[in-house]
Amino acid sequence: DTGVSQDPRHKITKRGQNVTFRCDPISEHNRLYWYRQTLGQGPEFLTYFQNEAQLEKSRLLSDRFSAERPKGSFSTLEIQRTEQGDSAMYLCASSLTGQVAEAFFGQGTRLTVV
Amino acid sequence: AQSVAQPEDQVNVAEGNPLTVKCTYSVSGNPYLFWYVQYPNRGLQFLLKYITGDNLVKGSYGFEAEFNKSQTSFHLKKPSALVSDSALYFCAVRDREDSNYQLIWGAGTKLIIKP
Repeated sequence: DTGVSQDPRHKITKRGQNVTFRCDPISEHNRLYWYRQTLGQGPEFLTYFQNEAQLEKSRLLSDRFSAERPKGSFSTLEIQRTEQGDSAMYLCASSLTGQVAEAFFGQGTRLTVV
Repeated sequence: AQSVAQPEDQVNVAEGNPLTVKCTYSVSGNPYLFWYVQYPNRGLQFLLKYITGDNLVKGSYGFEAEFNKSQTSFHLKKPSALVSDSALYFCAVRDREDSNYQLIWGAGTKLIIKP
C-alpha cells in the first residue's frame, strides 16, 4: 500500500495521559499536514511540514500539542495531558510542493479520552 | 476571512437520478477549489479540483463540478447517481494569493442514494 498510513487507528486513553500518533506519508511527498475532525465538521488544520521544517501551526493548537517530522519522512503528533475535548479523529495528509497540489489523506486515528 | 459553506447537511437522491451537492465560498482573492469524499471508515479521498481555465471540471467516479465566479459557487454534480456514491462530501478552498497553504473546509454534506 503506497498511500498515507496512520497508527494507531483507534486510541482510548484516560484524561491526563499523554498520547502519540504516527503518520507515514506517501514517500515522494515533501509536505505533511495534520488535521483534526470532529463529528459533523470538516477537517480543522493543526499544522504542516515542508520536509522536516514545521512551517505553520494553527493558533487554535494548544501548547499541549506538539508535532515532529525529524527526518522529513514520518511524523508524530503528541498530545500531553489529554482532555475530553481532545476526543476527535486526527487526520494526516501529504502532498507534493505547490499550492495546487491535492493532499492525500490517511484513514485517521480516532482518539477517545475518557 | 476565508470560508466555505455547504448549505445542506444531507442530500437524498434516488439511484439513477442526477445529483448536486452545493458549495459556496468566500476568499479575498481568486480561489483554488477542491472536492473530497469520505466513505465510512476510510480516509478522505480527492475527487477533483479547479485551478484555472474551463469552469467545468471533471473528476473521479463520474463526478464533475462547475465553478461559477459570480455566484462564488463550486457545486458538485453527477448525471446519474449510484448507491455506492453514498458518502460524506467535503468542499474546500484555498486563496491563491495567500501564502498560507491551508485548506479551508466546509462542514460536509451527507449524500444518500436510495435504490
